[in-house]
Amino acid sequence: DQQVKQNSPSLSVQEGRISILNCDYTNSMFDYFLWYKKYPAEGPTFLISISSIKDKNEDGRFTVFLNKSAKHLSLHIVPSQPGDSAVYFCAASDLWSSGDKLTFGTGTRLAVRP
Amino acid sequence: DSGVTQTPKHLITATGQRVTLRCSPRSGDLSVYWYQQSLDQGLQFLIQYYNGEERAKGNILERFSAQQFPDLHSELNLSSLELGDSALYFCASNPSGGSYEQYFGPGTRLTVT
Repeated sequence: DQQVKQNSPSLSVQEGRISILNCDYTNSMFDYFLWYKKYPAEGPTFLISISSIKDKNEDGRFTVFLNKSAKHLSLHIVPSQPGDSAVYFCAASDLWSSGDKLTFGTGTRLAVRP
Repeated sequence: DSGVTQTPKHLITATGQRVTLRCSPRSGDLSVYWYQQSLDQGLQFLIQYYNGEERAKGNILERFSAQQFPDLHSELNLSSLELGDSALYFCASNPSGGSYEQYFGPGTRLTVT
């Protein structure tokens, strides 16, 4: 049972344009969401997070939007840069019933074309 | 560099064997998490330790076990290995657990032949 889904395995955008990565979840108990970026041969690197009490969080070029009624979150990268090319994982946490674990999606590979 | 170290980087072994993966968390972090990433899959949570005690358990096989030592480093033991155990194994840490960001090591790639 995949509780966190990233339905687009890959995405290609032009440098300077907006990248939008999407994530859907099924568990309504999730209360904290994170995005990680992963380069080849490295571990995932934390990018940005959002609590379920918010609907938007911004950090520089990265913004995460949360739509709880739709159980959907998205990561916007503006403007996209070639160095953003990586695999992006969405993750979710439900502290109260599942403890400290993160539940990850399967990832979206972003390619930013120069 | 996240500050989390994992050894070895690569491991190739045969079916039926036993291996130990090692993780050193960031300085000061009390909580260690282990995840498994199989081909084209997301990271699957295995187990968490906090200050030497097991805190949370995921879908960890009975053939797998872990522990956290007094110096806070952790080891993941995989025994009676099967071909399907071939995967990337990541360790992550954070200061106190909870639904906050975790900092990941570079992973150990295990290949079972």
